[in-house]
Amino acid sequence: AQSVSQHNHHVILSEAASLELGCNYSYGGTVNLFWYVQYPGQHLQLLLKYFSGDPLVKGIKGFEAEFIKSKFSFNLRKPSVQWSDTAEYFCAPPRDYKLSFGAGTTVTVRA
Amino acid sequence: SQTIHQWPATLVQPVGSPLSLECTVEGTSNPNLYWYRQAAGRGLQLLFYSVGIGQISSEVPQNLSASRPQDRQFILSSKKLLLSDSGFYLCAWRGYTGELFFGEGSRLTVL
Repeated sequence: AQSVSQHNHHVILSEAASLELGCNYSYGGTVNLFWYVQYPGQHLQLLLKYFSGDPLVKGIKGFEAEFIKSKFSFNLRKPSVQWSDTAEYFCAPPRDYKLSFGAGTTVTVRA
Repeated sequence: SQTIHQWPATLVQPVGSPLSLECTVEGTSNPNLYWYRQAAGRGLQLLFYSVGIGQISSEVPQNLSASRPQDRQFILSSKKLLLSDSGFYLCAWRGYTGELFFGEGSRLTVL
């Protein structure tokens, strides 16, 4: 079963464009939220995480995400993408990992 | 520091043959361990997770099984492989702050 859904399967952008990837989860309790990234030929790695406090969290490489509790969303953003941001992005299931991840979003940035 | 390794990295097996993929974690004790299958367009599908030795939970009915004979060892097995078992398999362990750390992955091709 999945408790998280990602809206975009493949996004193609030009360098310097802004990026926003949607993630919605279906869980009503306390949530721990994560975004992971997989660059071509590399391991999956953590991009950013939210546990509590400020709903706007900063991650590596200029990424940020905002937790909106009322919308059950944790969207990922980057104001200006680079070619090196080409990767697959995964929103993790909330709170625990006893569920599958979202389908992932492939982001292709054109130079 | 903690490390995670899985092997073999690549495996080509005939239909009906057995499978054994191994994953070991170093530098931590009693970790939560996970097996995922990654397929294009389908994201990360959770197959099994384990919270301790001998404790295995299965999320998806399938032709595969998992075992945890030691604290830091997690094995994915099959008695008879099917064509549909082909895919990229990832092992992961959960860190103390909730982050997942992934292995290098094992590419299985069933012919």
